[in-house]
Amino acid sequence: DAGVIQSPRHEVTEMGQEVTLRCKPISGHNSLFWYRQTMMRGLELLIYFNNNVPIDDSGMPEDRFSAKMPNASFSTLKIQPSEPRDSAVYFCASSLWESENTEAFFGQGTRLTVV
Amino acid sequence: AQSVTQLGSHVSVSEGALVLLRCNYSSSVPPYLFWYVQYPNQGLQLLLKYTSAATLVKGINDFEAEFKKSETSFHLTKPSAHMSDAAEYFCAVSARSGGGADGLTFGKGTHLIIQP
Repeated sequence: DAGVIQSPRHEVTEMGQEVTLRCKPISGHNSLFWYRQTMMRGLELLIYFNNNVPIDDSGMPEDRFSAKMPNASFSTLKIQPSEPRDSAVYFCASSLWESENTEAFFGQGTRLTVV
Repeated sequence: AQSVTQLGSHVSVSEGALVLLRCNYSSSVPPYLFWYVQYPNQGLQLLLKYTSAATLVKGINDFEAEFKKSETSFHLTKPSAHMSDAAEYFCAVSARSGGGADGLTFGKGTHLIIQP
């Protein structure tokens, strides 16, 4: 399997623009997670889905952030409008929840720079 | 609610020496505990996990960790450091919810430096 695939790997955008980050989870996985990594706050869970349903979005920082999972093989994280403080590395992870054996597999991340 | 505290943002050891990275957790329910490694400009890779089976957990690259409930600790060790171990290490905790996987709560990370 190719693993969790995120696109783009790097994104530079101007303040106020809409940004869409994309994630393709590992085939067969039923849980998907979005994390944000910054120097100041470390790794933070933004939102996660089980079976395409959002379970907990309490980590989403503001209404400017939204995430969708229209099907089992695709998810998006959108920021509209973007701000410089949104600059971070955004990771997507997926897992197959079954009994005691759960492991989250991470993508390579999208490095977002908002200027 | 869960939280993780990693003691020491930077740890430096000599090549061949013992590696010890400290992690203490707080959880209101029996936790699942993980150690991840992150190499520069890469995603996170799982080193090992504790899911309520054996308290001493062995992972990849000769890393291991011991779950100590009385100390609420899950320290990561490796008998002999290698230059390739230089990376950022994250301890994480999760709790299983009724409906499926739960998200991970990460510590701040420990940057491991290997001196030649």
